[in-house]
Amino acid sequence: EVQLVESGGDLVQPGGSLRLSCASSGFMFSSYLMNWVRQAPGKGLEWVSGSSGNGANTYYADSVKGRFTVSRDNSKNTLYLQMSSLRAEDSAVYYCAKVIAADSLDMVFDIWGQGTVVTVSS
Amino acid sequence: EIVLTQSPATLSLSPGERATLSCRASQSVSRYLVWYQQKPGQAPRLLIYDASNRATGVPARFSGSGSGTDFTLTISSLEPEDFAVYYCQQRLNWPPLTFGGGTKVEIK
Repeated sequence: EVQLVESGGDLVQPGGSLRLSCASSGFMFSSYLMNWVRQAPGKGLEWVSGSSGNGANTYYADSVKGRFTVSRDNSKNTLYLQMSSLRAEDSAVYYCAKVIAADSLDMVFDIWGQGTVVTVSS
Repeated sequence: EIVLTQSPATLSLSPGERATLSCRASQSVSRYLVWYQQKPGQAPRLLIYDASNRATGVPARFSGSGSGTDFTLTISSLEPEDFAVYYCQQRLNWPPLTFGGGTKVEIK
């Protein structure tokens, strides 16, 4: 079964840092573009970041560029999101999502994790 | 950045009725439009990709149409489990990948 499991969400103070993880199973992780999508409480979906299969290419929304870093360890089948200089508006459920086709930039998310909650507050 | 506008914000219907949801793009996205369903407390679920292709396991009562800037998601006859929020997403021009604001389909 294809599965994504996020972890690492927590309550953090403004200006703080946090690292999220997304552990995958059931597919060839290194062949897939992987993404982070977030959802603030009561709001819609916002794409945050993406990482190509080999990690060589990374992509960011303007709202997080320079503060967040996406990376992956293909030997551990795990995607990461290092978040720094956190702001209240970064508070959200963070989902990782897999694209539908291997070796592709087709941004269609067929598998999502259950999400991990990040709360930025003093 | 391509802006997606979904309408209506809320659709109040009864089980068995037909639901028609709209997504309009600020510029052409060809047919690179995706639809997701999200229920409370759950992650989004892929329904339709590239305007009209149903994802694996999605019932035939869900259909998508459109191209360019105007797209429609139709649920031919609402089942109780279809009451949820629906999001569209464009994949033509990114980053940034963009989503619409969502349409909530609620029980009348």
